This record gives sequence, structure tokens and C-alpha cells, in this order.
Amino acid sequence: DPKIIQKPKYLVAVTGSEKILICEQYLGHNAMYWYRQSAKKPLEFMFSYSYQKLMDNQTASSRFQPQSSKKNHLDLQITALKPDDSATYFCASSQGTGGKNTLYFGAGTRLSVL
Amino acid sequence: GQQVQQSPASLVLQEGENAELQCNFSTSLNSMQWFYQRPGGSLVSLFYNPSGTKHSGRLTSTTVIKERRSSLHISSSQTTDSGTYLCALERTNTGKLTFGDGTVLTVKP
Repeated sequence: DPKIIQKPKYLVAVTGSEKILICEQYLGHNAMYWYRQSAKKPLEFMFSYSYQKLMDNQTASSRFQPQSSKKNHLDLQITALKPDDSATYFCASSQGTGGKNTLYFGAGTRLSVL
Repeated sequence: GQQVQQSPASLVLQEGENAELQCNFSTSLNSMQWFYQRPGGSLVSLFYNPSGTKHSGRLTSTTVIKERRSSLHISSSQTTDSGTYLCALERTNTGKLTFGDGTVLTVKP
């Protein structure tokens, strides 16, 4: 059974709309992350949260807003969608941040913005 | 410039051959990790290896901090090893990993 659940697996949206990507982890981890993988680009860090607090934010645009309602949830709200936002978004988690903390990734949500 | 550079970009092997994948980094780091990305897209952690040599089955990872490089050796490759191998470094304690572009490995039967 997957321990990090991302929903939906595929998402198609129109330019200008808003979507929420869901992530839940059942590993008992304290840290959660969002990464993005666009075509022809390396996997890119977006956010890290530890105990539901923002640790690091490398996303320039405020259109991307993480939401953590519980320790094992970290959703990603994206507003005013643009075609450039098309990518696979991966959620990840680890026991802690920094040092000897292996990241575990979800299967990803593939977003296409038309 | 890119902080993490992987080579080769792609590699084709016959089943049974060995593979050596390289990762060079241009900055200091706290940790280095290797991941395998399946053709379907999901990522699996292979090694957390900030320094020295680690083994796991047919895989060996060696990181030499002074030379700013890490390598992944795959022995006796199998068709199921096909996929993308990614290295990533962490410089801060915020959990932020910086990934390389990856090496796409194809193992033919």
C-alpha cells in the first residue's frame, strides 16, 4: 500500500482557474515537501514544512500556497493557473529535516493547464 | 551554473553489464542522496550517502567530499534496472534537495 497518497493522479485545468493538489502521508513523518518536475527540467524544490510550520520556500510566485490542516497533510493550492504550471507535482516526507533524513516520495500529480 | 551535474545523460547496456553513473557538485553540502525514478514517474530512495562507500545488493555508492563527486555503480545490470537515476544534494537543514538532471539507463535483454 502506498504510504504517501497524492490525489488526483492526473489533472487537467484551464488557464486562470484554481486547483488543489492533495497529499497525505502515513509514515508518521514530521516533515513534508512539495517538488515540481517540468519537461526538460530537473526536479525542483518548492516548499518544506516541519511540524506544520514553513521551513523553506523556493517558489517565487504567491499563486502557490501550501496548506497543512494536520501534521500528515500538506496540500498545494495553485491559483490563476498558467500553461507554464504544467508539470508533475511530487509530495514527499521525511522523519525530520536536514542530516540523515531520507525523503520518501508520492507517485505525483500530473497537471496539464490548457 | 548548475550545482549538480550528472553524467552520462543516457546509457544503454546489455543485460549483465556494469554501469557507472557520476554526479559532480559545485558547492559544499550536508548530504548526498541517490534516487531511482521509475518509468511511470515515482521516485525511490537508493542511498543516503554524505561520504564514503555504501552497498546495497548490486548497487554501490561512493561519495568523495573533497573531490565534490559521488558515483553509483550498478553491477550485473538487469532489464528492471531501466529508468532514471537522480542524485541530489542538501546544503541546508530545511530538507531542500537540489537535483541533477539524471541519467537515463536502458538495459536491453
